[in-house]
Amino acid sequence: DTAVSQTPKYLVTQMGNDKSIKCEQNLGHDTMYWYKQDSKKFLKIMFSYNNKELIINETVPNRFSPKSPDKAHLNLHINSLELGDSAVYFCASSQDLRFTEAFFGQGTRLTVV
Amino acid sequence: GEDVEQSLFLSVREGDSSVINCTYTDSSSTYLYWYKQEPGAGLQLLTYIFSNMDMKQDQRLTVLLNKKDKHLSLRIADTQTGDSAIYFCAESMEAAGNKLTFGGGTRVLVKP
Repeated sequence: DTAVSQTPKYLVTQMGNDKSIKCEQNLGHDTMYWYKQDSKKFLKIMFSYNNKELIINETVPNRFSPKSPDKAHLNLHINSLELGDSAVYFCASSQDLRFTEAFFGQGTRLTVV
Repeated sequence: GEDVEQSLFLSVREGDSSVINCTYTDSSSTYLYWYKQEPGAGLQLLTYIFSNMDMKQDQRLTVLLNKKDKHLSLRIADTQTGDSAIYFCAESMEAAGNKLTFGGGTRVLVKP
């Protein structure tokens, strides 16, 4: 069983569209994250949620809206997609905010054309 | 501010040891990590060290932390072709909500 799973794995879409990436973890963790990896492989945190509550929001445009319906899910919705949004987006989870060993999903490669 | 730096590339022969280095600027880091990313795959946690430790060994992996110099290294003994990947150093701080701050990654190429 995959611990942290993201869907879709690949997403190609046109500028201006709205899209969502889903993430689910079956580890029973309280904390979930979204990271963005750009074309140069730099990884930066975007958001973290703990028990469905937003903890970190790192200077991300408000076109990006995370949604956590329950603590096992953290979805990422992106409005009005731009070319610069093309990247690989990784979801991750950790047991809680105190213990930070994070487990990552396989990533979603988003290409905006 | 937070800054984590790594060299970009390392080439090593199969069977030799690899040493990947990382420097960080924030002395209040709580944990330091090494992640491995294989082509087209997610990040896999290899090992981590608490900031009050100097060394941690886990099978072929040895992590050394020099807190004074803010230097972290990962040594892979008997490097195998399957060790070819990008290795990311990362730090976290409790005070910053435990987010991970990553280095730019070191691409390791193992030659037969």
